[in-house]
Parts: sequence; C-alpha cells; structure tokens
Amino acid sequence: EDQVTQSPEALRLQEGESSSLNCSYTVSGLRGLFWYRQDPGKGPEFLFTLYSAGEEKEKERLKATLTKKESFLHITAPKPEDSATYLCAVPVYNQGGKLIFGQGTELSVKP
Amino acid sequence: ETGVTQSPTHLIKTRGQQVTLRCSSQSGHNTVSWYQQALGQGPQFIFQYYREEENGRGNFPPRFSGLQFPNYSSELNVNALELDDSALYLCASSLEVTGAGNEQFFGPGTRLTVL
Repeated sequence: EDQVTQSPEALRLQEGESSSLNCSYTVSGLRGLFWYRQDPGKGPEFLFTLYSAGEEKEKERLKATLTKKESFLHITAPKPEDSATYLCAVPVYNQGGKLIFGQGTELSVKP
Repeated sequence: ETGVTQSPTHLIKTRGQQVTLRCSSQSGHNTVSWYQQALGQGPQFIFQYYREEENGRGNFPPRFSGLQFPNYSSELNVNALELDDSALYLCASSLEVTGAGNEQFFGPGTRLTVL
C-alpha cells in the first residue's frame, strides 16, 4: 500500500537552532517527491520537487534531500517566519495523478 | 502568470444542502485536482480532471462530483451535505499529469462549514 509518514508531528525550535524533518514513503515506482509549506487556513505553497535518490534542492534556509526510502527537509538557522506546517507528498498513478500526503510537521520557531 | 484561484473563500451550509466550489487553474495548466483537508491532517485526494475528463478518483462517495470546463477551470459539487464534510477544500493545477511538469500548485482553499 502506498504510504507517506512524516516525523515529528510537531517541532519547536529556538531561532537559529537548526534541525531536520523526516518524510518516509512506500510507493511502487517513485515519480517524484514534493515538499510544501502550509500556513494556517491557507493552501499549501510548493517548495521543492525531488525525482531521484541523491538529489538535493535548496531555497534560502531550506534544503531537501532524497534517498530510496525517505526525504529530509533540513532547516538551517531558522527564523520565526519559518513557522508553518511542512507537508511532503508523492504522486501515484493508479488513481490518476493523485498526491498522497503525509500528515505534516508543525514547525514553531521562537525568537 | 496568474496562480490558482478559488471561490468562495468561506461558506456556511446546513446539513442536507448542496454546495458548488469553483477553481481557476494556473495559466497554461490543463490538469486540476481537488483535495479535502480536515484540521490537523494532510490533504486527501477527491478526484482529478485532465482536459475535461475525470482522470482518477479517491475514496469519496458519488455525492462528490465535479466538472472541468474548456478553459480548464473546474467545479466541485457536493450534494446532501453531512457534518463531516466540514473541511478546507483545495484545488491544485499542474501542467501535466505525469513526468516533468507534474508538480501540483494549490489555491488558497475554500473553508466549508456544515451546521
């Protein structure tokens, strides 16, 4: 069964305290893994696409990496404005091009 | 480039009523997907439309239906509303269904409350 699991569910950091979020997936034939940021009551904002193991993408303080079984979102020296829920998702094609999402990691960065 | 837009922003209905939510896809995108997101959960796939045809459906009952128009905008219709239908409804568009360009870009969502 295709599945995506994120950990931890919630993460509280002090400003400047670097950390990583985990996304483990089980899909038959990975065709991409997406990271999104979601602010309360708003739609997910696209961050990264990763297609193959070993691939890395960076954007400001965020860096996403991919292995054959999981992806990490590394946050370096976070700021309060990085507080949000981070979602990862994988596309599967046995029901159209649907995305299977993890439950998200709620990140809180305190000044 | 215009992003994905949705209307209305918020909606309050009573149990048993019907509702229509609307979505305009990002310019140049021909694929639209709808998701339901309950509080504290990740989005759940409802269905996808590709060039006006349903291209896949998640585990939602038939009272959830949709349309895609020639300009690739889309509607989500929900009949016989139930309390559990209260959620954030998200529309996402993509350039392609599979392969390069399959990233899905989301709109701001419609918050539906069923009383």
